[in-house]
Amino acid sequence: GENVEQHPSTLSVQEGDSAVIKCTYSDSASNYFPWYKQELGKRPQLIIDIRSNVGEKKDQRIAVTLNKTAKHFSLHITETQPEDSAVYFCAASTRGSQGNLIFGKGTKLSVKP
Amino acid sequence: DTEVTQTPKHLVMGMTNKKSLKCEQHMGHRAMYWYKQKAKKPPELMFVYSYEKLSINESVPSRFSPECPNSSLLNLHLHALQPEDSALYLCASSQDTGETQYFGPGTRLLVL
Repeated sequence: GENVEQHPSTLSVQEGDSAVIKCTYSDSASNYFPWYKQELGKRPQLIIDIRSNVGEKKDQRIAVTLNKTAKHFSLHITETQPEDSAVYFCAASTRGSQGNLIFGKGTKLSVKP
Repeated sequence: DTEVTQTPKHLVMGMTNKKSLKCEQHMGHRAMYWYKQKAKKPPELMFVYSYEKLSINESVPSRFSPECPNSSLLNLHLHALQPEDSALYLCASSQDTGETQYFGPGTRLLVL
């Protein structure tokens, strides 16, 4: 079955710096890769996602890149702000897998003012 | 309405109690999910309903019993839980399976 590895487990940056979180997946049939942000005590919130027919997607300060050959995808946050501090989860699934999202273990991002 | 709602927000129950968690969405989504999340861990899938039929049961103990009364509602019935079942229980929905999932705020459950 699918396995998703996420690195690093913790990341501390200064406000204004960029942050990069990387994930690798094992199942070459996976074709949907969402990223969720979860603040303490709150629900996971979708921040960006990408499908396997696209190599990169941007939304303001957030971008996701996908390398299907290497089976890895990354989240890039530019000009980080203290409110970006949270746990970020990557996930992978296969259309037709009946919705089985496989999550990475999460990255705790701290943005220091 | 673009939200998934869950009740109650918090629940404390004894090991002999019976309780139910409720989830509702009015986005017309046809897939609904239950996840369990322990502290500092990712959500773990428990059940998937697709078009009101149970399509995935991830080897969850029978003390957890899901129910989908209609396309907008999802319940999780709890009976004879153990202290290790204490966790955040998240509901999610998506247009169809394999599509973007949107999570509810969760029910924080404590089993004494």
